Amino acid sequence: EVQLQESGPGLVKPSQSLSLTCSVTGYSITSNYWGWIRKFPGNKMEWMGYISYSGSTSYNPSLKSRISITRDTSKNQFFLQLNSVTTEDTATYYCARYILDYWGQGVMVTVSS
Amino acid sequence: DVVMTQTPPSLSVAIGQSVSISCKSSQSLVYSDGKTYLHWLLQSPGRSPKRLIYQVSNLGSGVPDRFSGTGSQKDFTLKISRVEAEDLGVYYCAQTTHFPLTFGSGTKLEIK
Repeated sequence: EVQLQESGPGLVKPSQSLSLTCSVTGYSITSNYWGWIRKFPGNKMEWMGYISYSGSTSYNPSLKSRISITRDTSKNQFFLQLNSVTTEDTATYYCARYILDYWGQGVMVTVSS
Repeated sequence: DVVMTQTPPSLSVAIGQSVSISCKSSQSLVYSDGKTYLHWLLQSPGRSPKRLIYQVSNLGSGVPDRFSGTGSQKDFTLKISRVEAEDLGVYYCAQTTHFPLTFGSGTKLEIK
């Protein structure tokens, strides 16, 4: 069974960086595409980016140069870093396979001083 | 970006009734391989999203056949026949044809 699990701090100060980890079991991240999606308060969902089986990345242009997705294949984990956060980055962050069939349980991140 | 317009924003239905949700895209969702990458998701309260339907009309794993998807090009519909209590939550359409992946604004289904 494929399972994804996000981890990371639930509170980040404005202007700092948000860092999250997605641990995948039951499937190798060296296959397929793995990404990050966030849901804002209310219902709006935003795809942030993905890392491919080869390690190449693709990001939502809306996030410009603030985002980085990396991975550790030895641990079957991939990571999100979002820099210079503001209160508008407050959301629940999910890791998921790009074809949207497997999702983590989500982690709520609040940006506040 | 491809804009996905979902209607209605909310629905209230009785158990056993049928309901339809519309999703219209600002561009055709037919990819160069001829396939249409339009999907439907359900986020139940307190849960992460679950993919119900992929590529317009294919049921996801373990999804009951009360759910069905139809449509083509820019106009898509999710139908739930014989609504059950467990169907409550927020439904989203999403497209992976064009970069970047985009979602509809969601339809909240409540049970009367």
